[in-house]
Amino acid sequence: GENVEQHPSTLSVQEGDSAVIKCTYSDSASNYFPWYKQELGKRPQLIIDIRSNVGEKKDQRIAVTLNKTAKHFSLHITETQPEDSAVYFCAATSSGGYQKVTFGIGTKLQVIP
Amino acid sequence: DTEVTQTPKHLVMGMTNKKSLKCEQHMGHRAMYWYKQKAKKPPELMFVYSYEKLSINESVPSRFSPECPNSSLLNLHLHALQPEDSALYLCASSQAPGTFYGYTFGSGTRLTVV
Repeated sequence: GENVEQHPSTLSVQEGDSAVIKCTYSDSASNYFPWYKQELGKRPQLIIDIRSNVGEKKDQRIAVTLNKTAKHFSLHITETQPEDSAVYFCAATSSGGYQKVTFGIGTKLQVIP
Repeated sequence: DTEVTQTPKHLVMGMTNKKSLKCEQHMGHRAMYWYKQKAKKPPELMFVYSYEKLSINESVPSRFSPECPNSSLLNLHLHALQPEDSALYLCASSQAPGTFYGYTFGSGTRLTVV
């Protein structure tokens, strides 16, 4: 089955700095990679996603890059703000048949004002 | 309506009790999921329903029994749970299985087994 590794497990940055979270996956059949943000005590929320036929996608201060050859993808947050503090989960999905999502272990991001 | 609604938000039950968790969505999503999440861990897949049929059971103990009465509703029936089953239970939905859409998660039911 799919295995998704995520690092770092914790990340502290100063407000205004950038944050980068990296993930690797094992199954070459995975072709959809969502990122979820989970604030303390709340539900995970989809913040950005990327399909395997795309190398990069950006949405305001958030961007995701995908390297299919190396089987790794990354989340980049620029100009971080205190409200970016949360746990971020990467995930890999094999489409076709039943959509089974494998999550990374999560990265706890703390943005220091 | 762009939400997944879960009830109850909190539940405390004894090990001999029978209770049910409910999940509802009106987005026309045809795939629905139950996840279990322990503190400081990622969500862990339990069940997948695709077009109201159970398609994945991740070797979940039989004390958890899912049910999908229709395309908008998903239940999780609980019986004879153990204290280690205490966790946040998340329901999620997506447009259809095998497609490139992320999940919409509900707020979860925080379950405590005493």
